[in-house]
This record gives sequence, C-alpha cells and structure tokens, in this order.
Amino acid sequence: SQQGEEDPQALSIQEGENATMNCSYKTSINNLQWYRQNSGRGLVHLILIRSNEREKHSGRLRVTLDTSKKSSSLLITASRAADTASYFCATVLNYGQNFVFGPGTRLSVLP
Amino acid sequence: EPEVTQTPSHQVTQMGQEVILRCVPISNHLYFYWYRQILGQKVEFLVSFYNNEISEKSEIFDDQFSVERPDGSNFTLKIRSTKLEDSAMYFCASSERATGGDTQYFGPGTRLTVL
Repeated sequence: SQQGEEDPQALSIQEGENATMNCSYKTSINNLQWYRQNSGRGLVHLILIRSNEREKHSGRLRVTLDTSKKSSSLLITASRAADTASYFCATVLNYGQNFVFGPGTRLSVLP
Repeated sequence: EPEVTQTPSHQVTQMGQEVILRCVPISNHLYFYWYRQILGQKVEFLVSFYNNEISEKSEIFDDQFSVERPDGSNFTLKIRSTKLEDSAMYFCASSERATGGDTQYFGPGTRLTVL
C-alpha cells in the first residue's frame, strides 16, 4: 500500500449512522492529520493526532492511531448530510515538511 | 478566523503561456506550501518555502515552476510554458512552524485549465 492510503475508497450511509474510515501508512511519522474536502473545494483540517497519542476526540469526530500497525481510523458519529465529502489522511515523513496524502475516502451521507 | 486566500479561483490559459497563481497565507505563518490535485487524483506536494527560499520540493516541481514571496503578504507560484497536463487544482497552504508537528491550513484552490 502507499503511504497514507485510506479505505474504503467510497462509503455510503444513512443520516444518523456512524462512518468509519481507515488510513494505513508505511514509514515512521511525527503525526497524522485528517482533512475533509467538499467536491471541488479546498482542504479543511479536521484533527491532528501525534505519534505518542492513541485516541483523540473533536466534537463528533474520533480518531485513533496505532503506530504498531501503522494505521489510523476516523469515526464520524451521528452523521449528517453535510458530512458528505472526501476524507484524507496526511502524514509527514521523518521530520520533513511536505504532506503525503492518501487517495481519500468518498463519504456519501444520504438523508 | 484567519484563512488562506487564493486568486484567481479559476484560470484558463493557452498551452505555452505563463501563469501566476497568487496566495495570501495566514499573516503570522512562516511556512508556505503549494500542492496540486489533478482531477480525480491525490493531492500532491509541490514545494515548501521558508525564509525566502525553497526548503523542500518534489520531483514535479521542475524548472517550469518557480515560487516567490514578492512582498510581506503574497506568495506566488509561476508556471512557465504551461502544458495540457498542468491542468489541475492548485492549493496554497501555510503553517506557523515546520510540519514536524504543525497543521497546514489550505486555501480554497485555483483551478487551472490549460487549453
């Protein structure tokens, strides 16, 4: 798999359900960040989790990080139609500066 | 809340022409970045910039590209002699510190269409 690869590629759920997206990476990281992109728009930062953290919450978002498995998950609880977007994880390699983005998960929340 | 802005939102140009994409990073940020996203593909890093010089660049960022901070607020990406394959969304980002532990804030993007 590539650095920062999300799965599933696409996810369709009903409003009110929870959505879980996963991200896997290959090399050591300082932190992992999740971004959201509405169709044709810019990237909005959601949450940052550091390599020494295991879980972090922000509103309806819950992110976990398992450095032993080199994976992270993003859980959106009680989803809303407005959550429809693509979700990307981004990592920085070994104290570098540039983000490496995965291909993203396209989430569709149906009303 | 402070945000990164980009102009224009959409730029159409003829193949072979030069384009300049403009960005105004968040005012107290010191690190600036350009990324691009070809339609339907991943966001790809182009270049990072700090203290008036390039600090890191990708293989994509060849001699066709250049960046500049012409004044205290703007950060520009110049693409010389554009090619069809340069058509993409170009995102500017800024961060307070180098991304060892810092969040990058992205602008809304400029859609470049090369005809």
